[in-house]
Amino acid sequence: EAGVVQSPRYKIIEKKQPVAFWCNPISGHNTLYWYLQNLGQGPELLIRYENEEAVDDSQLPKDRFSAERLKGVDSTLKIQPAELGDSAVYLCASSLSGDGYTFGSGTRLTVV
Amino acid sequence: KNQVEQSPQSLIILEGKNCTLQCNYTVSPFSNLRWYKQDTGRGPVSLTIMTFSENTKSNGRYTATLDADTKQSSLHITASQLSDSASYICVVNTNAGKSTFGDGTTLTVKP
Repeated sequence: EAGVVQSPRYKIIEKKQPVAFWCNPISGHNTLYWYLQNLGQGPELLIRYENEEAVDDSQLPKDRFSAERLKGVDSTLKIQPAELGDSAVYLCASSLSGDGYTFGSGTRLTVV
Repeated sequence: KNQVEQSPQSLIILEGKNCTLQCNYTVSPFSNLRWYKQDTGRGPVSLTIMTFSENTKSNGRYTATLDADTKQSSLHITASQLSDSASYICVVNTNAGKSTFGDGTTLTVKP
């Protein structure tokens, strides 16, 4: 089993530029999560999908963040435009009907 | 507001020593509590899961305890190894599937 695959692993961009992250969850996992993790803190939920439906996006800053999960499998998270404060690790996780997560290794974003 | 507080924030121990990490929570309604290990540059990996009726659960050298009355959990690491150096995150889940993460305890094991 490949686990949750995220790409890229690292991304450095200038502020005001767009950026996108990609996540491929574990096969068969219907629930997919995007988390933001700042240094020294626990992950904070951005959005949760049940299949292709976003069932909890209350913490997603919708003015600049967007996400999609077409066909209920892999997902992309986009930031446009990026701000300095967006520098963080973006974690994707998946689960089978919400029963425990399997996390990806994350994408470390640095906005300069 | 649902909260999870972990202590200490960071801890340094010598290889071979034991240590205990604490997690206090105010999450309701409680479903289960998980401890995760997060190595630097990696995503968190689940160590243990405990439900309301469980007091103790072990996974190798890791032993988690849960006191649902006082809403406290601990993670005890026995005979620490250099590879135990990581961040340990406590996560409490509600019946509705909501998760509240603690900020983690950063453990450093030195030779």
